[in-house]
Amino acid sequence: QLQLQESGPGLVKPSETLSLTCSVSGDSITGTPYYWGWIRQPPGKGLEWIGSIYYTGTTYYNPSLKSRVSISGDTSKNQFSLRLSSVTAADTAVYYCARHYRLGSRADSFDPWGQGTLVTVSS
Amino acid sequence: QSALTQPASVSGSPGQSITISCTGTRSDVGAYKYVSWYQQHPGKAPKLMIYEVTNRPSGISNRFSGSKSGNTASLTISGLQAEDEANYYCSSYTTTSIVLFGGGTKLTVL
Repeated sequence: QLQLQESGPGLVKPSETLSLTCSVSGDSITGTPYYWGWIRQPPGKGLEWIGSIYYTGTTYYNPSLKSRVSISGDTSKNQFSLRLSSVTAADTAVYYCARHYRLGSRADSFDPWGQGTLVTVSS
Repeated sequence: QSALTQPASVSGSPGQSITISCTGTRSDVGAYKYVSWYQQHPGKAPKLMIYEVTNRPSGISNRFSGSKSGNTASLTISGLQAEDEANYYCSSYTTTSIVLFGGGTKLTVL
């Protein structure tokens, strides 16, 4: 059974870089045709897609965050990571990782999701 | 691109049916059949309920159904149960290769 688990600091200072890792178990991130994505949810608000990565390194980012976002993968550890630079209080959110059916069947759905991790931006 | 438009809240009594709308544009909902629906209970991660407008993943009750007409997609829940009370989000692929989510709808089972 595929499981995803986010990890990383729960508190980041303004102007610094947020870094999170998603560890995948039960399947390989090199499996096709899956992408692997990050989605966030500010407290009490809706979902926002951040970006997704294919194991080859191909990435797609939300244009609203593109200048600050980088997603990378580590196939040897079966993990993928998110970096978001120059954070402000507006980046405070629960960050989820998920398998992204980008191609083929179930196109552009996310399933399953990790449990999420709250990242607070504050000095 | 702006988020897809969903009603902030809907409600229904047990056993009734409700429909949640998700309105986009010709560049997202209206352009493809790639609309998904997610259920999120408080404090939990979202759960995929519908993909590609009408399809249910294995294990999802057939009380949940999806449809689309033009730029608006809809999620219908029939035979409402107390456990259906949750927030529901739609999402769509877009012509610019990004994923847009709706603002979410809070379903209250009276």
